[in-house]
Amino acid sequence: GDSVTQMEGPVTLSEEAFLTINCTYTATGYPSLFWYVQYPGEGLQLLLKATKADDKGSNKGFEATYRKETTSFHLEKGSVQVSDSAVYFCALGASNTGNQFYFGTGTSLTVIP
Amino acid sequence: DAGVIQSPRHEVTEMGQEVTLRCKPISGHDYLFWYRQTMMRGLELLIYFNNNVPIDDSGMPEDRFSAKMPNASFSTLKIQPSEPRDSAVYFCASSPGVAGGYEQYFGPGTRLTVT
Repeated sequence: GDSVTQMEGPVTLSEEAFLTINCTYTATGYPSLFWYVQYPGEGLQLLLKATKADDKGSNKGFEATYRKETTSFHLEKGSVQVSDSAVYFCALGASNTGNQFYFGTGTSLTVIP
Repeated sequence: DAGVIQSPRHEVTEMGQEVTLRCKPISGHDYLFWYRQTMMRGLELLIYFNNNVPIDDSGMPEDRFSAKMPNASFSTLKIQPSEPRDSAVYFCASSPGVAGGYEQYFGPGTRLTVT
């Protein structure tokens, strides 16, 4: 069945460091891929998405490219800030899954000054 | 738009009591999802609705849990009787489905503590 495998955390980086959080997926159809972010005490917010192969989603300096050949959707940011400290979730959704999402386990990121 | 609205934001109750969590989805969204989040189990899908009809409730832990969606603007998740292991944050999310690229919009959550 469809699933998402996400890089284990926690991840601790210094401010202005480069961030990569790996995400790979398994899907029988043509899913859309998402990254959500959860700040402490809050709900999940959509960070970025890509709906087809080779699409690049971007928002707030974060980027992820939908790679069908490697079934990946890795999240990257060139220079992280303390305010980026949060939990990041990779997710997959498609019509053949009944529009439900398959979420990764989440990766906790802490950025230190 | 006000986004997905959940109430209450916090609930503390004693074991054995009935708990009702409420959700108002974004207007025009056809799908509504209930999730539970704990440190041990992460984010779990409990049940979801399409056009007010339950589609998949396989994630509902046991018969103590029930969910309804009487109309397009309101859903409830009920736990009766509650147990300490039900302590978690419960999220409601809504989605326009394929029309919106399957994107889900989450509410702020209800933090439930059962003592």
